[in-house]
Amino acid sequence: GDSVTQMEGPVTLSEEAFLTINCTYTATGYPSLFWYVQYPGEGLQLLLKATKADDKGSNKGFEATYRKETTSFHLEKGSVQVSDSAVYFCALHSGNTPLVFGKGTRLSVIA
Amino acid sequence: DAGITQSPRHKVTETGTPVTLRCHQTENHRYMYWYRQDPGHGLRLIHYSYGVKDTDKGEVSDGYSVSRSKTEDFLLTLESATSSQTSVYFCAIRGVNTEAFFGQGTRLTVV
Repeated sequence: GDSVTQMEGPVTLSEEAFLTINCTYTATGYPSLFWYVQYPGEGLQLLLKATKADDKGSNKGFEATYRKETTSFHLEKGSVQVSDSAVYFCALHSGNTPLVFGKGTRLSVIA
Repeated sequence: DAGITQSPRHKVTETGTPVTLRCHQTENHRYMYWYRQDPGHGLRLIHYSYGVKDTDKGEVSDGYSVSRSKTEDFLLTLESATSSQTSVYFCAIRGVNTEAFFGQGTRLTVV
């Protein structure tokens, strides 16, 4: 079945550092890909998405490009802030199938 | 807000008792999901629904049942709560060809 693998955390960075969180997927169809973010004590919020190969999703300085050839959707940000500290989830769905999530990566940004 | 409400937000219950969690949406979305979130496991799908009275099992459905008698409500029932069902439960909704929106979560403790 479909699956998502993302890098284990936690990831600790200094403010203004460059962030990469790796995500790779396995899917039988042509999935849509998502990054969700969860701030402490809250539900998940959509951060960005891409629905077809070579699409780039972007939001709040975060970016991810749908790479079909490497089945990847890595999350990047050029300069992280303390307020970016959260858990980040990579996810996919294909057609009518339910969302499938990676296990999440906790990011801590220190001033 | 995506118009999704979970109730209760917190609950403590005793082992062996039945518990029902409610997810209510105002968006008229077709798909509704119940996930549980546990450290080290990310989000795991319990059950989902693709329409009124149409439901299916997810990867961790044992000990849980669901019902959807109208579009806006999706109920999750723990038939006889066990300590292993202590978790944070999230409901999500999704329209056709849209991303998922999540509720704020229900923290359930089984003592």
